[in-house]
Amino acid sequence: DAKTTQPPSMDCAEGRAANLPCNHSTISGNEYVYWYRQIHSQGPQYIIHGLKNNETNEMASLIITEDRKSSTLILPHATLRDTAVYYCIVRGIMTTDSWGKFQFGAGTQVVVTP
Amino acid sequence: GAGVSQSPSNKVTEKGKDVELRCDPISGHTALYWYRQSLGQGLEFLIYFQGNSAPDKSGLPSDRFSAERTGGSVSTLTIQRTQQEDSAVYLCASSLSGNQETQYFGPGTRLLVL
Repeated sequence: DAKTTQPPSMDCAEGRAANLPCNHSTISGNEYVYWYRQIHSQGPQYIIHGLKNNETNEMASLIITEDRKSSTLILPHATLRDTAVYYCIVRGIMTTDSWGKFQFGAGTQVVVTP
Repeated sequence: GAGVSQSPSNKVTEKGKDVELRCDPISGHTALYWYRQSLGQGLEFLIYFQGNSAPDKSGLPSDRFSAERTGGSVSTLTIQRTQQEDSAVYLCASSLSGNQETQYFGPGTRLLVL
């Protein structure tokens, strides 16, 4: 699986958009980009995923560059409850050699401040 | 609907004792995963079940660790002769199938080995 690189931490003001970057320069054509977050003392929570098109749901937007080597998760109006560790994961499809394991990195600690 | 549940939520044990951790996946989910998260660290993959079989056990750290799944539903992770370094949060996740499906996580079991 491709590895991802994320900044270790970032701060965001409440009510502003939070833009979380992720580099995945070795991603291959059949690998998806997933985002999860983990609020303190809870299990990880699914946010969004995509292959090559930009995606939006009720939680966030995912912008994937045309070359697919990086992506940005956008939280449009950050709230204090968005304070969490955000994980960017690249996951392959199931093949005879791989079942598409999730490999979690260190993530980005996002702190939303009043 | 009900999410992934895990029990116990907390477990304190003495070094050398055996422990069993339980995971109840979302009903109808055929794939089940166990992860471990040490304090301040990211998630470490342990084992993946598809139905009752485990195609990938590569993450189990030693032969003291084992897991089984019966009836394609409940799974038990057993740690024999626990060591202090086994102290961590053990997370279970399930997905509808194994192929590219989003994983949904339980709240975890916090294990402390004294």
